[in-house]
Order: sequence, then structure tokens, then C-alpha cells
Amino acid sequence: ELKVEQNPLFLSMQEGKNYTIYCNYSTTSDRLYWYRQDPGKSLESLFVLLSNGAVKQEGRLMASLDTKARLSTLHITAAVHDLSATYFCAVDDSNYQLIWGAGTKLIIKP
Amino acid sequence: SQTIHQWPATLVQPVGSPLSLECTVEGTSNPNLYWYRQAAGRGLQLLFYSVGIGQISSEVPQNLSASRPQDRQFILSSKKLLLSDSGFYLCAWSVSRGPWAGELFFGEGSRLTVL
Repeated sequence: ELKVEQNPLFLSMQEGKNYTIYCNYSTTSDRLYWYRQDPGKSLESLFVLLSNGAVKQEGRLMASLDTKARLSTLHITAAVHDLSATYFCAVDDSNYQLIWGAGTKLIIKP
Repeated sequence: SQTIHQWPATLVQPVGSPLSLECTVEGTSNPNLYWYRQAAGRGLQLLFYSVGIGQISSEVPQNLSASRPQDRQFILSSKKLLLSDSGFYLCAWSVSRGPWAGELFFGEGSRLTVL
């Protein structure tokens, strides 16, 4: 059974700092997704990672995938308050069903 | 471009009352459709998914049901709501095949409070 673990589950950080959110999964998969959810809102797709070594960047966010280590990272560079949200990773179970992490609530303080 | 609409956005219902949430997708054909529920401060729970008209797979046994009467319409229903049905309900779609299959696009969500 595919399981997905995110850590940390909660992260409070200062503006301008760098940090990384980790997403580990338990069985082989080469499709991983990152989503953002603002409080009270729906989920927005951030990154789609479809192969080993895939790296995607959008502004201050960069996501990578290591399928051998079964690990994806979401790196935040020089955080700004607008990036405060909950971030979810999700892994395809090879049947186009997504297994979700519990989410990382990120608070960025001015 | 593709869009997904979900309604109502908010509803407050008494215990034992019926429920109907509706979701429609525009700009694509034969999408996979999904209903998720998110309890307050929690992660996502897949309730139902559908790969075609009239084809519904249930992931969690409960007093909810889903139907797909048309290719791009997905409905979540209940005959009698329970307190535990409260939550944020999200409809989503994905393409059904190809390298981009699996990426989900979510509707705006429906916040249900059962009193």
C-alpha cells in the first residue's frame, strides 16, 4: 500500500529565510504533485513531477523528485508572507489515483 | 480552456436532511471526476471517483452517494445527513489518459455544516 509522509506538518518561519518541505513515499512511483491551499480555499496545482530527477521552479518555489530515494522536496527561497499556505504533496499510485500527504501548514512572519 | 464549477459554495443543513452538491466541467470531454472531503484542519479523503457516465467507485463506505448522469457532471448526494458529514467538499477532474493523467484540477469547494 502506498503511503505518503510529509514533514514538517507545521512550519513557522521568518520572511527572507530558506526552508525545505519533504515528501517521502513508500512504494515505487514516478508521478508526484504539489498543491497549495490557502485558508478556506480550494487546492491549486503547483508542480507536476513526472520523472526521476525532475526539477520545476516557479518564483521562490522549487520542487524536485528523486524516485530512487522516493523523495520529493519543495524548497522555499527567501520566503515572503504571500507564500503562507498549506502545501500538499500527492503521489500517483500507478492507477491515476493520488495518495495524499497530510499537508504542511506554512506560516511566514514579516 | 477547461473550467470546473461546483455549487453551492456554502450550506448549513440540519441532521437528517438530504444533500445535493453538483459539479460540472467545461472544455474537456470524458474527464475522470472525483469527490473529496476535507475535515477542518485535515488532509484530503477521497470519497468517489468516476471514469465515465454511470461508472462510480466508492472509496469510503458512508451515507453518501455519487452519480454521473452526464459526461461532465458529477453529483454528491445524501438522503440523511449526519453530524460527521460536516466538512469541505471538493470536486476535481483530470484527463483520463496520457502523460498528464493524474493531475487534478479542483473546484472552488462546498463548505457543509450539519447542525
